[in-house]
Amino acid sequence: DTAVSQTPKYLVTQMGNDKSIKCEQNLGHDTMYWYKQDSKKFLKIMFSYNNKELIINETVPNRFSPKSPDKAHLNLHINSLELGDSAVYFCASSQGGTKDEQFFGPGTRLTVL
Amino acid sequence: GQNIDQPTEMTATEGAIVQINCTYQTSGFNGLFWYQQHAGEAPTFLSYNVLDGLEEKGRFSSFLSRSKGYSYLLLKELQMKDSASYLCAVRDRTGGFKTIFGAGTRLFVKA
Repeated sequence: DTAVSQTPKYLVTQMGNDKSIKCEQNLGHDTMYWYKQDSKKFLKIMFSYNNKELIINETVPNRFSPKSPDKAHLNLHINSLELGDSAVYFCASSQGGTKDEQFFGPGTRLTVL
Repeated sequence: GQNIDQPTEMTATEGAIVQINCTYQTSGFNGLFWYQQHAGEAPTFLSYNVLDGLEEKGRFSSFLSRSKGYSYLLLKELQMKDSASYLCAVRDRTGGFKTIFGAGTRLFVKA
């Protein structure tokens, strides 16, 4: 059974389009995250939700809007896509507590042409 | 602010031991993680240190010195499948307990 899943795995689109990436976790975790990993492999936190509530919102353009309909799902909608948005986007989840290790989804490779 | 430094690349031989160092600066240290990431795949959790000392888990060990802002990941009996990026990450309690990742160290294991 897949623990953290993301769709789609690949997304190729034109500049200016709007797209969404979906994430689901079946681990029963309370916290979910979106990360962006650019071509230099830096994994950077974008957003974090705990029980459907936004708790971390890094300096991300407001073209990016996360939505958490329930604690098992965290979707990412991106408006007016730009070339610089091309990256791999990872969703992750964690239970909290002392260790709070994160479990990552397989990633969505977004290419903006 | 936060800052994490680790070497960009390392090469080691199959069967050998390799140590990957990580130094960090953070105002609200709340734990240090090591993740492994194979090319084209998601990061997977390897280890966690919050107190000083060595944590051993099979062929992998991780060490932490909070006073020095320093950690290392030790990989023993290297195998070809250990070729991957190793990401050092620090959890910071300021700003909502966020985890900051280093750029990663690409390890190449040669025969």
